[in-house]
Amino acid sequence: GQNIDQPTEMTATEGAIVQINCTYQTSGFNGLFWYQQHAGEAPTFLSYNVLDGLEEKGRFSSFLSRSKGYSYLLLKELQMKDSASYLCAARGGATNKLIFGTGTLLAVQP
Amino acid sequence: DADVTQTPRNRITKTGKRIMLECSQTKGHDRMYWYRQDPGLGLRLIYYSFDVKDINKGEISDGYSVSRQAQAKFSLSLESAIPNQTALYFCATSASQETQYFGPGTRLLVL
Repeated sequence: GQNIDQPTEMTATEGAIVQINCTYQTSGFNGLFWYQQHAGEAPTFLSYNVLDGLEEKGRFSSFLSRSKGYSYLLLKELQMKDSASYLCAARGGATNKLIFGTGTLLAVQP
Repeated sequence: DADVTQTPRNRITKTGKRIMLECSQTKGHDRMYWYRQDPGLGLRLIYYSFDVKDINKGEISDGYSVSRQAQAKFSLSLESAIPNQTALYFCATSASQETQYFGPGTRLLVL
């Protein structure tokens, strides 16, 4: 079957670093996506990994280990505006659809 | 201007009514999707279309139907709305294997 697991909630301090983990199970794995979603708004694309390793994009980095079915999103120099839900999604299966996790709600505190 | 638009943005309706949610995109993407989002359940795929002549059911298609009127337009219908279809609905588009881009969402309340 297909399954995505990520923590429900996390709290971090402004200026700090936070790591949001995601584990996945999907046949025919073909990429791991991270999206940011502020309350009541549309998810917006953050990052994409298909090969093992780290992808860096400014304050945000994402890591993938295909052998372990594991990814993380790293947010550095946290800002209050980073308070949002972070969605992990794996692409795979017979038709290459995205399967989304339930999201991790990150609260950044002063 | 937004690349992916949805209308209406908010809708309140009664049980048994027929409702249509519309999605339009100017990104030139072939692939379009409809999701619903419920608290604690994440985004779940209702229907998807890889081109104008292609319609596929997602994981929760019961009670819904879709129409792909053109490459840029993909509509979702609830033939007879029920309260457990109260949710936030998102349309998304993508070009082949690329990332999906989401519309602003439609908040639907079925009384």
